[in-house]
Amino acid sequence: GENVEQHPSTLSVQEGDSAVIKCTYSDSASNYFPWYKQELGKRPQLIIDIRSNVGEKKDQRIAVTLNKTAKHFSLHITETQPEDSAVYFCAATPYGNNRLAFGKGNQVVVIP
Amino acid sequence: EAGVAQSPRYKIIEKRQSVAFWCNPISGHATLYWYQQILGQGPKLLIQFQNNGVVDDSQLPKDRFSAERLKGVDSTLKIQPAKLEDSAVYLCASSQGLEGGELFFGEGSRLTVL
Repeated sequence: GENVEQHPSTLSVQEGDSAVIKCTYSDSASNYFPWYKQELGKRPQLIIDIRSNVGEKKDQRIAVTLNKTAKHFSLHITETQPEDSAVYFCAATPYGNNRLAFGKGNQVVVIP
Repeated sequence: EAGVAQSPRYKIIEKRQSVAFWCNPISGHATLYWYQQILGQGPKLLIQFQNNGVVDDSQLPKDRFSAERLKGVDSTLKIQPAKLEDSAVYLCASSQGLEGGELFFGEGSRLTVL
């Protein structure tokens, strides 16, 4: 099955700086890649996703880039704010079964 | 729009006891998932339903875990007998269908096995 790995496990950034989290996946059949944000004690929520037919997608301060050849995709957060502090999970699945395999998560800490 | 409802929110049991979790998905969502999230890790898919049929249960420990989705709406997840390593948050999620769409998660049911 799919194996998703995330690096680094913890990332601390100064408020206003950018944060980048990278994920790698193993199954070349995967073509849907979402990112979920989970604040402490709360449910995971989708923040952005990308399909394999595009290389980049942006939504205000967040963006996701995909490199299918290298089997990795990254989350970019610009102008970080304290409310961006959370655990971010990447996931991957072949389109058509929505059977998401999640990574272990990245703890992002934004220092005011 | 009402979200995914789960109960109970918290449960403490001793090993070898049994426990059941309930989930009510978003109205109209055909696909329902149960995930296990151990502290410090990402959610792990246990079982996926499409309407009232099982699509995937390859990671469900069937010797102790069971799940059903009668009438294609509510679902229950049961653990019997529980082991210490079953301590986790059990997340229920739903989506409109199978074609790569957003999963809407419930608040989760936190299980502690002593």
